[in-house]
Amino acid sequence: AQTVTQSQPEMSVQEAETVTLSCTYDTSESDYYLFWYKQPPSRQMILVIRQEAYKQQNATENRFSVNFQKAAKSFSLKISDSQLGDAAMYFCAYRTYSGGGADGLTFGKGTHLIIQP
Amino acid sequence: DVKVTQSSRYLVKRTGEKVFLECVQDMDHENMFWYRQDPGLGLRLIYFSYDVKMKEKGDIPEGYSVSREKKERFSLILESASTNQTSMYLCASSYPGSGLVGYTFGSGTRLTVV
Repeated sequence: AQTVTQSQPEMSVQEAETVTLSCTYDTSESDYYLFWYKQPPSRQMILVIRQEAYKQQNATENRFSVNFQKAAKSFSLKISDSQLGDAAMYFCAYRTYSGGGADGLTFGKGTHLIIQP
Repeated sequence: DVKVTQSSRYLVKRTGEKVFLECVQDMDHENMFWYRQDPGLGLRLIYFSYDVKMKEKGDIPEGYSVSREKKERFSLILESASTNQTSMYLCASSYPGSGLVGYTFGSGTRLTVV
């Protein structure tokens, strides 16, 4: 079974600065997907960024980027120019590569990100 | 705007009651999931379903059951609610093999068992 580890229960950053959230995972598969989800106080889970394991290039979405190290099984999230609206719980998640059937997401325990004005 | 709708945002039930949490999706997704979210534990999979009347246990199925009589609706049932089932419950749906698309989540039901 896959496991996802987020070693930082809480992180704090000054507005406009850069912060990196760490995530490691354990799997024996070679093809899979990785995600970062954001959960603000509204509780709605929002997909922030995603990465296919067979793609070496790191994914980027505006101020959000990842550092994907497949050999090290590491998938960190970098948030540049932090904004107050970035304050939320962030979850790293793993999804097995599957051609069909239900394929569940495995989540880490989350990192609570605080943005200091 | 596609969505997953959970019928209750907040719910308070008494110990021993039978509790139904309802989830409806309008995206014609085959797969539906129930997760439980607790502080410091992240999201843990309770049950999932990949078709009508089909169900599979997740990581923490004890004390729960599910029902999927229609494709769009997936119900989580607490047969006899206990205080340790006080938690946030999240429903999600997806296409099979949708890979990078990920899931669509509901906005959660915060259940308190007293």
